[in-house]
Amino acid sequence: GESVGLHLPTLSVQEGDNSIINCAYSNSASDYFIWYKQESGKGPQFIIDIRSNMDKRQGQRVTVLLNKTVKHLSLQIAATQPGDSAVYFCAENYPGGTSYGKLTFGQGTILTVHP
Amino acid sequence: NAGVTQTPKFQVLKTGQSMTLQCAQDMNHNSMYWYRQDPGMGLRLIYYSASEGTTDKGEVPNGYNVSRLNKREFSLRLESAAPSQTSVYFCASSLSINQPQHFGDGTRLSIL
Repeated sequence: GESVGLHLPTLSVQEGDNSIINCAYSNSASDYFIWYKQESGKGPQFIIDIRSNMDKRQGQRVTVLLNKTVKHLSLQIAATQPGDSAVYFCAENYPGGTSYGKLTFGQGTILTVHP
Repeated sequence: NAGVTQTPKFQVLKTGQSMTLQCAQDMNHNSMYWYRQDPGMGLRLIYYSASEGTTDKGEVPNGYNVSRLNKREFSLRLESAAPSQTSVYFCASSLSINQPQHFGDGTRLSIL
């Protein structure tokens, strides 16, 4: 999962395995969550989003699960491929006051997929 | 389809120099953002523009100014660069606030 500090969490998997990347978000009132993928030298790339009125959302090979009780978000990648190797960030939007529309990003998790 | 385009891709400045980072999007998005990314710190919002004609401070606005030139373009200016501003700067845009943000590939800025 994600943590504050200079050393990012890492996840190493074999090609073809399923990957689960976790994120603990900070504000129970956050209403919108996004997962991004960032490859070396590139900007973050949108993967999937979910709003707080949902528990689960599926995309192509990816599923996001939201557990509001424990403020936990996860990204599941099915049949992980070497091209999935990257840093994955979760982001949350807290709708209160001046924070509206401003995403707060987690530190990221490094996913390495071995052939 | 270019998406979000940032220029320059790399820049080295001396302390005290000024610089404007350019950002343009071709997705007809209303909202635009500037972030900086430092090792271990994640992405931090500098300024954003919810719509053309408006700008607001983010988490780390000190030392920066922005201009929303038109709907497509949102520039970030460093008036007097400091070594602490060495970072990778990302511009993003979204259809509106609280919608997925799409990022450019960044400007790598070093200040000596």
